[in-house]
Amino acid sequence: AQSVTQPDIHITVSEGASLELRCNYSYGATPYLFWYVQSPGQGLQLLLKYFSGDTLVQGIKGFEAEFKRSQSSFNLRKPSVHWSDAAEYFCAVGSPNFGNEKLTFGTGTRLTIIP
Amino acid sequence: AAGVIQSPRHLIKEKRETATLKCYPIPRHDTVYWYQQGPGQDPQFLISFYEKMQSDKGSIPDRFSAQQFSDYHSELNMSSLELGDSALYFCASRKTRGFSGNTIYFGEGSWLTVV
Repeated sequence: AQSVTQPDIHITVSEGASLELRCNYSYGATPYLFWYVQSPGQGLQLLLKYFSGDTLVQGIKGFEAEFKRSQSSFNLRKPSVHWSDAAEYFCAVGSPNFGNEKLTFGTGTRLTIIP
Repeated sequence: AAGVIQSPRHLIKEKRETATLKCYPIPRHDTVYWYQQGPGQDPQFLISFYEKMQSDKGSIPDRFSAQQFSDYHSELNMSSLELGDSALYFCASRKTRGFSGNTIYFGEGSWLTVV
């Protein structure tokens, strides 16, 4: 069964500092990988996704993520965070197999930005 | 661009009552997913439909049922509500047929509070 681990429950960074949120997945083959962001009381917004090809993917709001098969990781990065980036971030893994393509989410990482 | 529409956005019900949540997928999307996100939890997959047929099932209680209609909208019916059913319920949609990028798009969610 597919699973996702986000080892950091809560991360605090200063505005303007760089950010890296960790995500490790478990899946038998090459999965589909996603990062979603959720602001308080809001829905899930897709930041970026990886299906195949270039292992460094660019997303919205200046985010990027790198798929590393050898480490089963898909870490999210941003070179300089803004106060508006404060939110909950979820990594998710999906199966390319038809009929089983639901997403399995990690437990999320809450990002706090300090001035 | 049109997004996934969920209604109602907020719902308050008493224990043992019944609630119905509606989801209108992105136009031309043929697959609908339902997720439940408890307070401080990650979204948990409940059930999915492809072309009006159930395609996958997760941790959905027997008290819950769902269906997808001919216009592709979906409804999640929850009966004998319990306090633990209080959660944010997400609907998501995807265009499975054809090259779609396999991205699952989420709605803003429906807040259910059981009192």
